[in-house]
Amino acid sequence: NAGVMQNPRHLVRRRGQEARLRCSPMKGHSHVYWYRQLPEEGLKFMVYLQKENIIDESGMPKERFSAEFPKEGPSILRIQQVVRGDSAAYFCASSPSWGEFSGANVLTFGAGSRLTVL
Amino acid sequence: AQSVTQLGSHVSVSEGALVLLRCNYSSSVPPYLFWYVQYPNQGLQLLLKYTSAATLVKGINGFEAEFKKSETSFHLTKPSAHMSDAAEYFCAVPGEAGTALIFGKGTTLSVSS
Repeated sequence: NAGVMQNPRHLVRRRGQEARLRCSPMKGHSHVYWYRQLPEEGLKFMVYLQKENIIDESGMPKERFSAEFPKEGPSILRIQQVVRGDSAAYFCASSPSWGEFSGANVLTFGAGSRLTVL
Repeated sequence: AQSVTQLGSHVSVSEGALVLLRCNYSSSVPPYLFWYVQYPNQGLQLLLKYTSAATLVKGINGFEAEFKKSETSFHLTKPSAHMSDAAEYFCAVPGEAGTALIFGKGTTLSVSS
C-alpha cells in the first residue's frame, strides 16, 4: 500500500527553465493538495484538486504556476520560467475520496520535491 | 479567517524532560485541529487530531494535546522527551473554505542528551 509518491525528490533548474513536479496520491484518494515550504515560513497552501478539476487555487501565484490532476496519471505542478525565489520544498498531500473535504479528513503527505534554482 | 499561531520557533529540551509545544487558534472555534510532525528530509506525518469528541487527545509516540476553548489553545505535550523526537512540529486548522489545512509556521524541537 504505497503512500503518496512524489518525484523527482530533488530537481535543479537554471533561471528561466521549467520545473515539473509529479504527485501520485495514495490508492483510493482522489483529492490532491500542493503546499510549498520555505525556511522559517512553514507550509503554505497552493492548490487543491480533484480529478480533472481545480477546486481551490487561492494560494497559487498568479503567474508562471499551474497545476493539473488528469483523469489518468499523477497530478502535476508546473512552474514556468523559474526564478531563484521558487527554490523551496514542494509537498503533495492526498485525502480520501468521500464527499467534500472536511476537517476530519486526514491529509497524507509525500516526502516532497526539493527545487533548487541556480 | 481561521489561523493558528505557534509560539516559539525553536524549543530545546533535555532527554527525559517534559515537551511543551504551543499552538493557539483564531477566535472562531474550529471544528478540528491537527498536529503534524516532520522529520528531516521527510514529509509531514499526522501526530494527532481533535474532532470535538474529547478535549484531551492522545496521539502517536506518546504525544497528547488538550483543547482549551477558554484559552483558544491546543498545546502539544509529551511527559518525557526522547532523542528521536527531534523534528519540526506543525499545528494546523481547516481553512474557512473547508478545502485545505492551514498550517502554523512550525516549531523545531531539539533534544539533547
